[in-house]
Amino acid sequence: GDSVTQTEGPVTVSESESLIINCTYSATSIAYPNLFWYVRYPGEGLQLLLKVITAGQKGSSRGFEATYNKETTSFHLQKASVQESDSAVYYCALGETQGGRALIFGTGTTVSVSP
Amino acid sequence: AQTIHQWPVAEIKAVGSPLSLGCTIKGKSSPNLYWYWQATGGTLQQLFYSITVGQVESVVQLNLSASRPKDDQFILSTEKLLLSHSGFYLCAWIGTPNQAPLFGEGTRLSVL
Repeated sequence: GDSVTQTEGPVTVSESESLIINCTYSATSIAYPNLFWYVRYPGEGLQLLLKVITAGQKGSSRGFEATYNKETTSFHLQKASVQESDSAVYYCALGETQGGRALIFGTGTTVSVSP
Repeated sequence: AQTIHQWPVAEIKAVGSPLSLGCTIKGKSSPNLYWYWQATGGTLQQLFYSITVGQVESVVQLNLSASRPKDDQFILSTEKLLLSHSGFYLCAWIGTPNQAPLFGEGTRLSVL
């Protein structure tokens, strides 16, 4: 079936260090899956961080980047230098978002950035 | 601009009591609407979706029901809560195909 596996948390990093959250997917019933990273900051709802709909392309937002790699079925999220405000739960997701289909999410990765 | 609002923000309920969670979309007609649920330590699971008023499809059976009484409203409910219903409930909408879903702020439910 379709599924998403991401880095298990919690992950703790120091400010200005680099961060990578691994995400791999399986899309057996979706021919051309779109890939997403969502983020939930403390006390807030789920927000779209970035989205990539074409294999081989890279998405970026707020200093984060993720490349849609169809060969390795991966969509890892990276940031070169994190800030305390990046502390949040990050979710990798895939889907076609048409009709009844919405998104299939990973379990989420809790990231804590220490000053 | 489109907005999505969920209510209540949080609920503490007793086992066996009824529940009603709401979701309202503003600024978009005929959106596709979705309910998601995340148990503590679990993943976000799609529960229901609705493409049009009066029509709701179930994706996962959790002894919950959903209704879409108006174009801009999506309701999640049950007559009898179970402990296993505890978790975080999110409403989402998609306006056009392949659009990234927009999520509400969520409702945190604790069943005691």
